[in-house]
Amino acid sequence: DGGITQSPKYLFRKEGQNVTLSCEQNLNHDAMYWYRQDPGQGLRLIYYSQIVNDFQKGDIAEGYSVSREKKESFPLTVTSAQKNPTAFYLCASSMAAGDYEQYFGPGTRLTVT
Amino acid sequence: GENVEQHPSTLSVQEGDSAVIKCTYSDSASNYFPWYKQELGKRPQLIIDIRSNVGEKKDQRIAVTLNKTAKHFSLHITETQPEDSAVYFCAASIPPSNFGNEKLTFGTGTRLTIIP
Repeated sequence: DGGITQSPKYLFRKEGQNVTLSCEQNLNHDAMYWYRQDPGQGLRLIYYSQIVNDFQKGDIAEGYSVSREKKESFPLTVTSAQKNPTAFYLCASSMAAGDYEQYFGPGTRLTVT
Repeated sequence: GENVEQHPSTLSVQEGDSAVIKCTYSDSASNYFPWYKQELGKRPQLIIDIRSNVGEKKDQRIAVTLNKTAKHFSLHITETQPEDSAVYFCAASIPPSNFGNEKLTFGTGTRLTIIP
């Protein structure tokens, strides 16, 4: 299960606060992704990055922001503008974008009250 | 953009029987179709994938079939075992282009339960 890590495993925040989720990979992958997983809704793409210093919005980017300053790291910030932030967040990476296997991290469960 | 529908949402089968999960996609340009398995409390992992130049692919008890004309693909698990109990996700991806669409679109998942 090594190669891509997320921290922390559980995160609790008060409403109105921004929170940053960490994602690190040592697989030398160019592409990285953030997904949100809610019961019955599968994996929905928030943001993805094909290369350092570049990223693109996914299907549900509103209320989230990312950066890709290093190849190994792709942190996700859940801002106070995200109306329903409580969810399970999964980070993934692949050799390149498109038709390559994605390797997932263990996930972070965020609870906002 | 691509839309992937997955059925059924839940499936229970007797141990030893076969299980079939079906997905349809909307974009005829899609050419890569992976299946991921997520066991309870664990991360999704790729179990099999197929590309549009192939109609069927097998790996031991698991097979995937693709019908490009009908735009649907299916996961077949034979001789099911208790460890097959998990949530299965299908996905589709279109070829890389200049439009930045190089991403997977996932189905909503199927919770498979194997009854001992």
